[in-house]
Amino acid sequence: NAGVTQTPKFQVLKTGQSMTLQCAQDMNHEYMSWYRQDPGMGLRLIHYSVGAGITDQGEVPNGYNVSRSTTEDFPLRLLSAAPSQTSVYFCASRGLAGDANEQFFGPGTRLTVL
Amino acid sequence: AQTVTQSQPEMSVQEAETVTLSCTYDTSENNYYLFWYKQPPSRQMILVIRQEAYKQQNATENRFSVNFQKAAKSFSLKISDSQLGDTAMYFCAFMKQSSYKLIFGSGTRLLVRP
Repeated sequence: NAGVTQTPKFQVLKTGQSMTLQCAQDMNHEYMSWYRQDPGMGLRLIHYSVGAGITDQGEVPNGYNVSRSTTEDFPLRLLSAAPSQTSVYFCASRGLAGDANEQFFGPGTRLTVL
Repeated sequence: AQTVTQSQPEMSVQEAETVTLSCTYDTSENNYYLFWYKQPPSRQMILVIRQEAYKQQNATENRFSVNFQKAAKSFSLKISDSQLGDTAMYFCAFMKQSSYKLIFGSGTRLLVRP
């Protein structure tokens, strides 16, 4: 099992550019989510999905789009990057059965927007 | 809305000694889960310990234990026999029952001194 994988690990964008952060998991988890981590603020939920074709907004969704066409993949799209989106992004997944199930995190993507 | 507060931005402990990290939370829910995550310099998020709110017994995992005080809404992490590998950021997190969404505190940076 590779667990949760994210690509790329690092990315530098210019303001206004678009890009997609990739996330994949091979554990057949229904629930997947995206968080951003900023200094002094912990991790904040951007978007989440409870299954293919179902997505919803988290705490800080503005500027980001997601889709879930398969159980395995949950890409995060930045349509027009802004310096405020400079952050470390984490993808996570977990099974739905069992409330206290562990969420598995990917290794993160460090994004810098100039 | 739920909030999680970690009031100690940084802490330091001598190797082999014991250290306690504080976490308080605010919620009107009765059924929920609490977690401590470790983030070493590699950036990987690692689950350290979890506590179900309906359980009165404090969770333990080897050198890690919690002091869960439901009425006081407090959830501290005790690390015994600290090791150099315990140097990391530690995040406290809250999850409402059947929500799957984690709400994180701002983190405590722990340094274990040789």
